[in-house]
Amino acid sequence: GNSVTQMEGPVTLSEEAFLTINCTYTATGYPSLFWYVQYPGEGLQLLLKATKADDKGSNKGFEATYRKETTSFHLEKGSVQVSDSAVYFCALSGNQGGKLIFGQGTELSVKP
Amino acid sequence: SQTIHQWPATLVQPVGSPLSLECTVEGTSNPNLYWYRQAAGRGLQLLFYSVGIGQISSEVPQNLSASRPQDRQFILSSKKLLLSDSGFYLCAWRGTGGATEAFFGQGTRLTVV
Repeated sequence: GNSVTQMEGPVTLSEEAFLTINCTYTATGYPSLFWYVQYPGEGLQLLLKATKADDKGSNKGFEATYRKETTSFHLEKGSVQVSDSAVYFCALSGNQGGKLIFGQGTELSVKP
Repeated sequence: SQTIHQWPATLVQPVGSPLSLECTVEGTSNPNLYWYRQAAGRGLQLLFYSVGIGQISSEVPQNLSASRPQDRQFILSSKKLLLSDSGFYLCAWRGTGGATEAFFGQGTRLTVV
């Protein structure tokens, strides 16, 4: 069945450092891929998404590229801020909708 | 605009007691509905999802069940709670189609004692 695997956290970075959070997936067909973020004390919200191979999703300085050849959707940001501290979830949905599967989440802590 | 309501926000229940968590969505029709559990320090585990009234898919064998009696109502239940049922339960909805965004409720913190 479909699955999503994220790098384990927590990840601790200094402000302005480069961020990469790895995400790989297993799926049949052509899934849509998502990154969600959960700030402390809040619910999940969509950060970015990509719906087909080689698409790049971007938002708030974060980017992720849908790589079908490596079945990956790694999240990157060139310069993190303290306000980026949160838990980040990679997610996958089949192209017919229905099931929406999340990875285990990666906690990011950015220090000033 | 669409909104999602989930209640209660917190719940403390004794082992062996029943459970009923309710989730309702406003401002949309025929949404896909989801129940997730977020255990402390862990990710989101998909428990149930529904693509229509009376259509429930169960993802993990467990002590819980779900029902969708109306188009925009999704209920998570248990006849007898276990200690291991403690966790943070999240309801979510999204439109049809694989690329649509999911919107989450504020969650229910369940503690089984």
